[in-house]
Amino acid sequence: AQSVTQPDIHITVSEGASLELRCNYSYGATPYLFWYVQSPGQGLQLLLKYFSGDTLVQGIKGFEAEFKRSQSSFNLRKPSVHWSDAAEYFCAVGAPSGGSYIPTFGRGTSLIVHP
Amino acid sequence: DAGVIQSPRHEVTEMGQEVTLRCKPISGHNSLFWYRQTMMRGLELLIYFNNNVPIDDSGMPEDRFSAKMPNASFSTLKIQPSEPRDSAVYFCASSSQGRWTEAFFGQGTRLTVV
Repeated sequence: AQSVTQPDIHITVSEGASLELRCNYSYGATPYLFWYVQSPGQGLQLLLKYFSGDTLVQGIKGFEAEFKRSQSSFNLRKPSVHWSDAAEYFCAVGAPSGGSYIPTFGRGTSLIVHP
Repeated sequence: DAGVIQSPRHEVTEMGQEVTLRCKPISGHNSLFWYRQTMMRGLELLIYFNNNVPIDDSGMPEDRFSAKMPNASFSTLKIQPSEPRDSAVYFCASSSQGRWTEAFFGQGTRLTVV
């Protein structure tokens, strides 16, 4: 079965600084990979996804992520963080089977942005 | 499309009572997921339906939990009897399997059992 590890429970950055959130997955082949963001009291919103092709994926709100097969990683990055980016971020993996999959989520990383 | 719609948004009930959570997936989506989110365990998959059929219910914690999907536009998650440890946020998500799409989440139902 697939699994996801987000090693950082909390990350604190200053507004304007760059950001990298780590995500490592466990799966024997190339999985489907996702990053979601959750604001307080809200559902999860998709930031970006990787199914195949270019390993550098662009998402909404200026986020990007890079799939590195050799490291089993799918880290999320943003060059300049805004105060509104403070939220909980979840990495998810899906084991593909004919286009179908079940998303499995990591424990999440809480992003705190200092002014 | 209005997205995945869950009701109620908040539910407070007494221990021992029956609780029913409702979900309307996005029209045209053929897969539906129920997740539970707690501080201790994060986001846990409870059950997964494909074309209204339960495919994987291994995450349902115990017999007190049951889920149904009588048609493509409606699903329920029932807890009977409820216990304080069931307090959590329950999310419903839907996706269009086989078409390379992500899962879309509802706003969640915050359940408090007192």
